[in-house]
Amino acid sequence: DAKTTQPTSMDCAEGRAANLPCNHSTISGNEYVYWYRQIHSQGPQYIIHGLKNNETNEMASLIITEDRKSSTLILPHATLRDTAVYYCIVRVAGSQGNLIFGKGTKLSVKP
Amino acid sequence: NAGVTQTPKFQVLKTGQSMTLQCAQDMNHEYMSWYRQDPGMGLRLIHYSVGAGITDQGEVPNGYNVSRSTTEDFPLRLLSAAPSQTSVYFCASSYRAGDEQYFGPGTRLTVT
Repeated sequence: DAKTTQPTSMDCAEGRAANLPCNHSTISGNEYVYWYRQIHSQGPQYIIHGLKNNETNEMASLIITEDRKSSTLILPHATLRDTAVYYCIVRVAGSQGNLIFGKGTKLSVKP
Repeated sequence: NAGVTQTPKFQVLKTGQSMTLQCAQDMNHEYMSWYRQDPGMGLRLIHYSVGAGITDQGEVPNGYNVSRSTTEDFPLRLLSAAPSQTSVYFCASSYRAGDEQYFGPGTRLTVT
């Protein structure tokens, strides 16, 4: 699975959009981009994933660049409950092994 | 749906004791897995199962056993607990291998 690079931490004002970047310059053509988050002391939570098209669900939007070397997770209206560590993961669909979580981005939403 | 449930939430063991961490899911997921998370580190895969009767080792399997006799349950056994196994243990499941995974709330284990 390809490696990802994320900023260590970010701040966001409550009610504003949070834009979390991820670089995955060595991503392969059959690898998807997944986003998970982990709120303090809880189990990780799946957010969204995509291959090459932009995706949106009730939690977030995922924007993947045309060359697929980077992506951005967008939380449109961040709340205090969105404070968490956000992990960007790339992996082949259907693969059985590890989810490589890395260190992620610590997002702090401030009032 | 209860999703993925784990018991107990907290456990303290003495070195050498054995115990079983329970994990169950009610989503009819084929794929289940166990991870451990140590302070300041990411999650590391211990064992996983792609269906009832099938298990395989992950990144850090030593000292742990698993079995998958039903689709719903995937218990993790510590054979002889060691202080190095002090960690938070998460169980996860997905419809198939490679799909998005759903995690339980975790079991916080301390071995003294």
